[in-house]
Parts: sequence; structure tokens; C-alpha cells
Amino acid sequence: GAVVSQHPSWVICKSGTSVKIECRSLDFQATTMFWYRQFPKQSLMLMATSNEGSKATYEQGVEKDKFLINHASLTLSTLTVTSAHPEDSSFYICSAMDAGVLAANYGYTFGSGTRLTVV
Amino acid sequence: QKEVEQNSGPLSVPEGAIASLNCTYSDRGSQSFFWYRQYSGKSPELIMSIYSNGDKEDGRFTAQLNKASQYVSLLIRDSQPSDSATYLCAVYSSASKIIFGSGTRLSIRP
Repeated sequence: GAVVSQHPSWVICKSGTSVKIECRSLDFQATTMFWYRQFPKQSLMLMATSNEGSKATYEQGVEKDKFLINHASLTLSTLTVTSAHPEDSSFYICSAMDAGVLAANYGYTFGSGTRLTVV
Repeated sequence: QKEVEQNSGPLSVPEGAIASLNCTYSDRGSQSFFWYRQYSGKSPELIMSIYSNGDKEDGRFTAQLNKASQYVSLLIRDSQPSDSATYLCAVYSSASKIIFGSGTRLSIRP
């Protein structure tokens, strides 16, 4: 089945630094990837839709200059949290859609998530 | 009105009983419906998908869809403690993207 690898699984960084999270589709091509954020005991919140070779589409209220998304290839999207602050501490999850199948039929495949702690 | 609504719970069910999870959606043009399970601190995993009205069974899980009522449910038979998790309802909308509900926390008590 479709596998999405997300790295790192956890990271601790100092306030003011930047952190990059990678999301890779291992056995399929993903023209579209999605980035979510989830705070403890809360639901998944879609941050942005990442499209290969074009600019990401951000959800309302998400700062595009703070959360930089790059989808340079069909198998890799990255999320960079710039100038991180403690309030950015959260669980970040990516998901990907197989370009060869219909999401309507198979849904999305999720990465394992990255727990970011900013101290 | 939220696009996909679920009762947040927690829903507490005794071990061995049937757990019933419900979801309503607002977009009548929605094509496909999914149930994901998320354990605490983990990412969601797909457990069921359903596209047509009626029931779809897979092991202890049964998904039910009623497009006229814009309602989808998940039944878990013979509930086990390992079923304790948050269950996310997701809908593939007419806007060609999957919308997630906020999830229902299920707790199976021994």
C-alpha cells in the first residue's frame, strides 16, 4: 500500500530558530500533499495544500511567511517553521494523495507526524 | 454550520458491546466517506471507506451511509480495549478535497 514517510518524528528547538519537516511518498507520486497541525486533544487543522511545482495554498489564518512549504518534486514536500515560538509547539502531520488514483476512492495516506517542541 | 460534524464524546462503551459513531455532513455533492482511527500521539489511519448508500462490513467494523439524510456512521462490534481511540469522519467533497470532522473519542471500558 501507499506509504508516506515523515521526518523527523520529533524535534526540540530553541525559540527563534527554524525547523524543517520532510514528507515523502515512498512508493507513489504525489502531486498534492497536505499539511495539518494538531494541538493536544484537538482536531486536525488543515494548514495548507502543497502542489508540486507551484505555490502552496494556505488556509485562512495560517501565515505563509512563517510556515514555508516547498513541493519541489513528486515525492517530497517540506514544511519549514520559521522563527519558531513556544506557541508553535504542536503535532504536525502531512498527508499525500496518489497521483495515479482517485482520492475519492482511496482517501489520503498520512505520514507518522512530527512532534515539535519549541523551548 | 461545520462541513463535517461529529459528537466529540467521550463515548464510553463496555468491552464486548457495540460502539456506534455518527457523523453528518453538509455538502450534498460529497462522493466518498471515510473513517480514520487516531491513537493518542499518532497520526490517523484509514479503517473504512464507503461510497454507496447502505452498509459496508469489514471484520468487526460496519460503515453505514445515508446520502438522503447526509449521515454516515461506524459500528464496531465486540468492542475491545484496543479500539479506544479518536475516530475521525472524513468526506470527499464536491470541491475535490477531503474534509475531516473534529473526531469522537471512544473509550472501551473492561
